[in-house]
Amino acid sequence: EVQLVQSGAALKQPGESLTISCKASGYTFTRYWIGWVRQMPGKGLEWMGVTNPSDSDTRYSPSFQGQVSISADRSISTAYLHWSSLKASDTAMYYCARPGDQWLPYYWGQGSLITVSS
Amino acid sequence: QSALTQPRSVSGSPGQSVTISCTGTSSDVGGYNYVSWYQQHPGKVPKLMIYDVTKRPSGVPDRFSGSKSGNTASLTISGLQAEDEADYYCCSYAGAYTLGPFGGGTKLTVL
Repeated sequence: EVQLVQSGAALKQPGESLTISCKASGYTFTRYWIGWVRQMPGKGLEWMGVTNPSDSDTRYSPSFQGQVSISADRSISTAYLHWSSLKASDTAMYYCARPGDQWLPYYWGQGSLITVSS
Repeated sequence: QSALTQPRSVSGSPGQSVTISCTGTSSDVGGYNYVSWYQQHPGKVPKLMIYDVTKRPSGVPDRFSGSKSGNTASLTISGLQAEDEADYYCCSYAGAYTLGPFGGGTKLTVL
């Protein structure tokens, strides 16, 4: 059974850095890309980007390029989403998602609620 | 990549059928047979209901079906039940190494 277990909720101040994680199990981690989906309060779903754990190739949606960093550590089957300087507008639920071969989300993590407020 | 277009809301009575549309372009929905649909109840994780336009993952009731014509994909829910009340999102493949767009979401109300 495929499982994606994310790190917990976080309350941060603007300007702080943050990394959230997603531990995968139940499949060969290096076989599929893995990525992140943002859902702002009361809004829809947005692909942020995906990374290939086998070679670290990472692709971002244009809206998120340069705003976040996505990576993976294949030795521990874990993907990461990193911000170097959070903004209030980063307040959202973030879902780890493992797509199939066509980069459409198939499996989802439980979500990590990130609140950025002073 | 522009978001796919979905109606903001649809409604139906228990037992009826409803259809939710998802309109894109020839670069996404119309160009490939890879459209997924997700159900999201308030405060819950999105759940995959349909993939590859028409396929249902194990455990999804056969009341849920998908189709596509041209640049528009559709999700049909027959025999509506109260627990079907949720937000529904579509997402389409848009080519190699391209993150496909999501639709803006449709709120289904069971009257």
